[in-house]
Amino acid sequence: NAGVTQTPKFRVLKTGQSMTLLCAQDMNHEYMYWYRQDPGMGLRLIHYSVGEGTTAKGEVPDGYNVSRLKKQNFLLGLESAAPSQTSVYFCASSVHRGLLGPQHFGDGTRLSIL
Amino acid sequence: RKEVEQDPGPFNVPEGATVAFNCTYSNSASQSFFWYRQDCRKEPKLLMSVYSSGNEDGRFTAQLNRASQYISLLIRDSKLSDSATYLCVVNNAGNMLTFGGGTRLMVKP
Repeated sequence: NAGVTQTPKFRVLKTGQSMTLLCAQDMNHEYMYWYRQDPGMGLRLIHYSVGEGTTAKGEVPDGYNVSRLKKQNFLLGLESAAPSQTSVYFCASSVHRGLLGPQHFGDGTRLSIL
Repeated sequence: RKEVEQDPGPFNVPEGATVAFNCTYSNSASQSFFWYRQDCRKEPKLLMSVYSSGNEDGRFTAQLNRASQYISLLIRDSKLSDSATYLCVVNNAGNMLTFGGGTRLMVKP
């Protein structure tokens, strides 16, 4: 059982380049999330989705866009990468049955913007 | 005030010791509570959910105090492999979980 899979694992970009991070889950979870984690900052929510075709802003959405065209996939896009977006990005998914359940994480994407 | 606050540590303890972490949360309407473990350069992994009556999983015990708005994690008989950062996580607003900054634990031989 793969769980939550993130691609790519590592990437180096130049300022101004664009890229898309892919998150795929095979647990049939409705809810999916994108976080960034920086040293000393903890996990911060970028965007999330409560179902196919829906997205919502989190704590730090600026500079990112997302799409949830299929239930199992949640894409995070950087249209014009900036050095401040150098970070480790985690995707997560969860169920919601009356109460929000625990989130299951992918193993992260390490992104460096030069 | 942060929504979820933890002492960042590090807590340095010898093998076999008992160690406890507390975490406070600000939203009295919070309903879901979890402890996650994160190893260096790895993803967070669910350690245990926290239930109102308290719950235990082997050497780990979690407690919830709604009146004082804190949750705790107790680790008994610490192992070297317990060295990690422990994240307190709270459902503060409907569809989102809020993560504390984490408490770092170092278990020494």
